[in-house]
Amino acid sequence: AQSVSQHNHHVILSEAASLELGCNYSYGGTVNLFWYVQYPGQHLQLLLKYFSGDPLVKGIKGFEAEFIKSKFSFNLRKPSVQWSDTAEYFCAVNAATGRRALTFGSGTRLQVQP
Amino acid sequence: TAGITQAPTSQILAAGRSMTLRCTQDMRHNAMYWYRQDLGLGLRLIHYSNTAGTTGKGEVPDGYSVSRANTDDFPLTLASAVPSQTSVYFCASRGQGDTEAFFGQGTRLTVV
Repeated sequence: AQSVSQHNHHVILSEAASLELGCNYSYGGTVNLFWYVQYPGQHLQLLLKYFSGDPLVKGIKGFEAEFIKSKFSFNLRKPSVQWSDTAEYFCAVNAATGRRALTFGSGTRLQVQP
Repeated sequence: TAGITQAPTSQILAAGRSMTLRCTQDMRHNAMYWYRQDLGLGLRLIHYSNTAGTTGKGEVPDGYSVSRANTDDFPLTLASAVPSQTSVYFCASRGQGDTEAFFGQGTRLTVV
């Protein structure tokens, strides 16, 4: 079975600071990787995804993530955060074949102070 | 299109009572999922269905049941609610060629 670890549970940044959220997964086979965002009171929305090709993927709102296969990592980055980025961020993984339900990390709450 | 619709949006339920959380999608997605979201635990898979007529157990299935009579609907039933089932429940679906899942707005359930 796959598992996902997010090491930062709560991050507080000032506007314009750079962001990096860690995500590591464990799974023996080929995976697809995702970052979802949940704004306060809302449902989950896809930020970006990786399933093959260039390991550096760009998503919406200036976010990007890099898949490093040797480290089983898929860290999320943004060069300059905004107050509107305040949200909870979830890393998720699913197997590329077979049962493809997403397995989520425990989430990182990002608070951006103006 | 509406995407995924969940009902109700919130509910307070007495312990021991039964309840069905409804989920309907209009995207003709084959796969559907139920997750619960709890603080510090992220989202955990309760049950899933890869296609109409089939269901499977996820990570935390105890106390819940599902059915998938058709492509569009995937109700989640709590036969006898307990306070530990207080949570936010999200329904999700995924199309045949899609890698990601799409989520509903969630149902906030409080069992007292």
